[in-house]
Amino acid sequence: DAGVIQSPRHEVTEMGQEVTLRCKPISGHNSLFWYRQTMMRGLELLIYFNNNVPIDDSGMPEDRFSAKMPNASFSTLKIQPSEPRDSAVYFCASSFVTGANSPLHFGNGTRLTVT
Amino acid sequence: DQQVKQNSPSLSVQEGRISILNCDYTNSMFDYFLWYKKYPAEGPTFLISISSIKDKNEDGRFTVFLNKSAKHLSLHIVPSQPGDSAVYFCAASGYFGNEKLTFGTGTRLTIIP
Repeated sequence: DAGVIQSPRHEVTEMGQEVTLRCKPISGHNSLFWYRQTMMRGLELLIYFNNNVPIDDSGMPEDRFSAKMPNASFSTLKIQPSEPRDSAVYFCASSFVTGANSPLHFGNGTRLTVT
Repeated sequence: DQQVKQNSPSLSVQEGRISILNCDYTNSMFDYFLWYKKYPAEGPTFLISISSIKDKNEDGRFTVFLNKSAKHLSLHIVPSQPGDSAVYFCAASGYFGNEKLTFGTGTRLTIIP
């Protein structure tokens, strides 16, 4: 059973460039989450989707960040233009939310470096 | 403003002894708490959880304790094993579910053989 799949694993880009991170959630899961991990702030929720619909994007830092979920098996997080302070590890996670316990399943993350 | 705080960035424990990881929260609306474990170059994995209606939950070597009045929870690992060396994240949710988890900054646990 494949877990959450993220690509690329590593991304190095120059300031000002567009960056697109990709995520394939676990089949059958109905919620998808994008998190960012930094040393100072730990894991921060950026946005989450339920049944492909964005529910809460209050964690998205700026208009430079956008996320889409065109179907149940794919999501993207885009940063345009990228800045050095965006350097972090970005995690995608999915779960089947039923109102009862349903742990998040995380991908292995994308390490983004903006120079 | 960090609503979930893990004040110890790192902890070293001898193999076989007890590891105690601590977590404090400030939001009284949190009523569901989880611990996640993370190895390098991997995503966090769920370890154990507790709802606010309980003060203790046990799963094998792992026990989570919740003190609602103090807004404090702790994870006990007994006995500690080398494979437990990882970063542990405390997380909290505002209702009985997993949406909008708020995570702490993590504690790096090192088990000394």
